[in-house]
Amino acid sequence: KAGVTQTPRYLIKTRGQQVTLSCSPISGHRSVSWYQQTPGQGLQFLFEYFSETQRNKGNFPGRFSGRQFSNSRSEMNVSTLELGDSALYLCASSSAPQETQYFGPGTRLLVL
Amino acid sequence: DQQVKQNSPSLSVQEGRISILNCDYTNSMFDYFLWYKKYPAEGPTFLISISSIKDKNEDGRFTVFLNKSAKHLSLHIVPSQPGDSAVYFCAASAANDYKLSFGAGTTVTVRA
Repeated sequence: KAGVTQTPRYLIKTRGQQVTLSCSPISGHRSVSWYQQTPGQGLQFLFEYFSETQRNKGNFPGRFSGRQFSNSRSEMNVSTLELGDSALYLCASSSAPQETQYFGPGTRLLVL
Repeated sequence: DQQVKQNSPSLSVQEGRISILNCDYTNSMFDYFLWYKKYPAEGPTFLISISSIKDKNEDGRFTVFLNKSAKHLSLHIVPSQPGDSAVYFCAASAANDYKLSFGAGTTVTVRA
C-alpha cells in the first residue's frame, strides 16, 4: 500500500505571497491532519479533516486554512506569508480515532 | 502549554546497549500514546504505540512502558544499533481525538 504523499517537497516563496500544499493520504484513510515543524516550536497541530469537514483546529492564525476533497486528498493554504512561516509542513493520515497516524515526507517551505 | 514533555534533548549510547527515552504528560484525558522516529527533512516514522489499558507493549527491539499514575512513559530500545540514531518524538491523544500532541523530541546518537 502506498504511503502518504506530499507535493511539492520543497518550496521557496517571498513574504506576502500565498502557498498551497497538497497531501494524498494512504488509500482507505479518511482522516488527514496537518502539522507544522519548526526548530523553536517543535511539531504543532494545524488542523484535521474527515469526510471533507474540518473537525479540529490548532492555535494558528486564520492565514492558515485547508480543505479536503471527496477522494480524501487534502490541501492547506497559507496566505500573506511571513518569514516565521518557514517550516516543514507535515501531513498525516489515519483510518479512525486512535489508530496510528502515518506521516508523509513533508513539504519544506522557505519564506524569504 | 506543552502537554507532552521530553526533558532530555539528547541521549548518547554505545552500540549494543539499551537506550531509554522518557516522556511525561500533563493531560489526564490522554489515553493513547505513540513513539515516532524522525530523520532530518523526513516525516516521522511510527515506531510503537500503547493504549492506557496496558502498561507495556513490545515490538521487536522496542518496548514502551506506561505508568498512568505518574503520567509517564518510556521507550526502551535493546540492543541499540547505529541506524537508531535519529530524533525520537513522544506523542499523545485523547479518546476520539485525531489531534496528536508532541513532545519536543530526544536526539539519540548510537556510538560504535
